[in-house]
Amino acid sequence: DGGITQSPKYLFRKEGQNVTLSCEQNLNHDAMYWYRQDPGQGLRLIYYSQIVNDFQKGDIAEGYSVSREKKESFPLTVTSAQKNPTAFYLCASWTSGYNEQFFGPGTRLTVL
Amino acid sequence: ILNVEQSPQSLHVQEGDSTNFTCSFPSSNFYALHWYRWETAKSPEALFVMTLNGDEKKKGRISATLNTKEGYSYLYIKGSQPEDSATYLCARLYNQGGKLIFGQGTELSVKP
Repeated sequence: DGGITQSPKYLFRKEGQNVTLSCEQNLNHDAMYWYRQDPGQGLRLIYYSQIVNDFQKGDIAEGYSVSREKKESFPLTVTSAQKNPTAFYLCASWTSGYNEQFFGPGTRLTVL
Repeated sequence: ILNVEQSPQSLHVQEGDSTNFTCSFPSSNFYALHWYRWETAKSPEALFVMTLNGDEKKKGRISATLNTKEGYSYLYIKGSQPEDSATYLCARLYNQGGKLIFGQGTELSVKP
């Protein structure tokens, strides 16, 4: 089955630690996206990548970093510089044109 | 950031009631409007992608309209069922590279 996988489902981190969230897709989509969701807010774009080895900052990129070494993979690192990292993180992919985005199941990150 | 606003923020209805939500967005440089349904513990799934002023789309009991000149879209659910309970997100396509700007969502709860 084609789709997007994210791991882990739940992640706990101590303050001051970096942590990496995994996102893999087998849809052969060129573009991939990372969103963050907080209670009462919509999805906010962190980073996106339209092609391998290239990515752009979204609206809330501070304290996050990404890489896109393979078409299938777009990992997100939450660094210690992110002041309020506790949130739900969604990864998505997109092909082109006016098609919809496809979403993974998400990772809930809690900083202890 | 081109803000997308959704109303109401939450809605509680009885089974069989019909309901509608609103999505407002800046009308300039319009590309497309997406509607997604996000059920608890699942990934967001696309309902509609709308591109033309006056578009009306329907999927079962759910339909949507689009007015790009005045910058709004309505989502209607006819005869709500408990399985319609979810958060409904709208998103404006910001550019042809697939970047979406999401509203904060409308959380619908349908009581049997």
